[in-house]
Formats: sequence, structure tokens, C-alpha cells
Amino acid sequence: AQSVTQLDSQVPVFEEAPVELRCNYSSSVSVYLFWYVQYPNQGLQLLLKYLSGSTLVKGINGFEAEFNKSQTSFHLRKPSVHISDTAEYFCAVSGGSSNTGKLIFGQGTTLQVKP
Amino acid sequence: EAQVTQNPRYLITVTGKKLTVTCSQNMNHEYMSWYRQDPGLGLRQIYYSMNVEVTDKGDVPEGYKVSRKEKRNFPLILESPSPNQTSLYFCASRSTGRGAGSYNSPLHFGNGTRLTVT
Repeated sequence: AQSVTQLDSQVPVFEEAPVELRCNYSSSVSVYLFWYVQYPNQGLQLLLKYLSGSTLVKGINGFEAEFNKSQTSFHLRKPSVHISDTAEYFCAVSGGSSNTGKLIFGQGTTLQVKP
Repeated sequence: EAQVTQNPRYLITVTGKKLTVTCSQNMNHEYMSWYRQDPGLGLRQIYYSMNVEVTDKGDVPEGYKVSRKEKRNFPLILESPSPNQTSLYFCASRSTGRGAGSYNSPLHFGNGTRLTVT
């Protein structure tokens, strides 16, 4: 069965500094990986996804993630964060049969960008 | 505007009083799903539906019911709410495909319903 672990529950960082949010997954089969962002009082929005091909995936708002099969990781990075990036970030892995399109989410990481 | 609409946004109720949280999407999506979000646990799937009249249990279905009589609507029903169902609930939808195509279409989420059961 697939599972996702986000290694940090909170990540404080100063504005314009780089950030990395860590995500590890476990799966015995090929996986599809996702990062979603949740701004306060809103639902989740897709940041980026890895389905196949290049292991470096670029998403919206300057975020990118790298799929590392040997380390079973899918860490999210941004070279320079803004105050507006303050949000909760969820890593997710495809779960169950691909026909169901089910996603299994990690516990979430709160990114706190300080001025 | 393409969206998933949940109502109500906030709900406070008492143990045992039946309630329904509505969810509607205007994107003609086949797939709809309910999640609950709890601190430290992320999002966990309650129920999902692949199409009209096709529903199935997710990871935490106990105490919940759903129905899918129309493609656009997917209400979540709590017949006898209990305090452990206090949570933030999200409805989501997407179009479907085959294999990796199932995931090419992103999940669209509603803005959530914060439920408190006393």
C-alpha cells in the first residue's frame, strides 16, 4: 500500500530565502506524485505533478519538485519565497487502482514566511 | 467560473442530529470525492464516486453516507453525528481517464465545511 510522509510539520523561513519542503513516499508499484497548496480558509490547489518523463517538475508560483526514485522522495523547492507563499502544503501519491484516481495525502507542512 | 461549491461553510450541531453537507460542481466531472482534514493527519478520503449511481468507500467511511443521483451533486450525510466527526470537510471533483490519464486532470476542491459536533 502507498503512503506519504512529510518530514516537517512547520517550516519557518525569511522572505526571499530558499525553501525545501520534504516528502517521502512508499509504494511497491509505479507512482504518480503531487504537491497541493492550501491558503487560509480555502480548498487545495494543485501546484505540480509528476506522472512520467523528466524527474524535475516545474509548477505554478515558481515552485519545482524533483522525483527521486532511489530515495523515494519528491521534495518541493523554491529559490526565493514571498510572504504570499505562507500556506499549508500537501504532498500526495496515487493510491489504489489508477481507475479510481485516489490520492493519499501526507500530513501537511505549514510554510511560514517571515518579513 | 469552474468551481466546486460546498455548503454550509461553517456548521455547529449537537450529537445525533442528522445533517447534510452539499457539494456541487459545474465542470461536468465524473469523479467526485469527500475528504476530511484533521491536524497532523492530512486529508483522508471518506467516500468517492466514479459516476452517477456509483459510489464506494474510502479510508474512513464509518458514520457517513453519500449519494450520487445527479452528476453535479454529491452530498455528504451524517445520520447521527458524533463529536469525533468534528473536522474540516472537503469535496473534490475531476474528470476521469485511463491509466496515467486518470491523474492528468487535477482534483478541484471546494472551500471546505468546518463542522463542530458538541
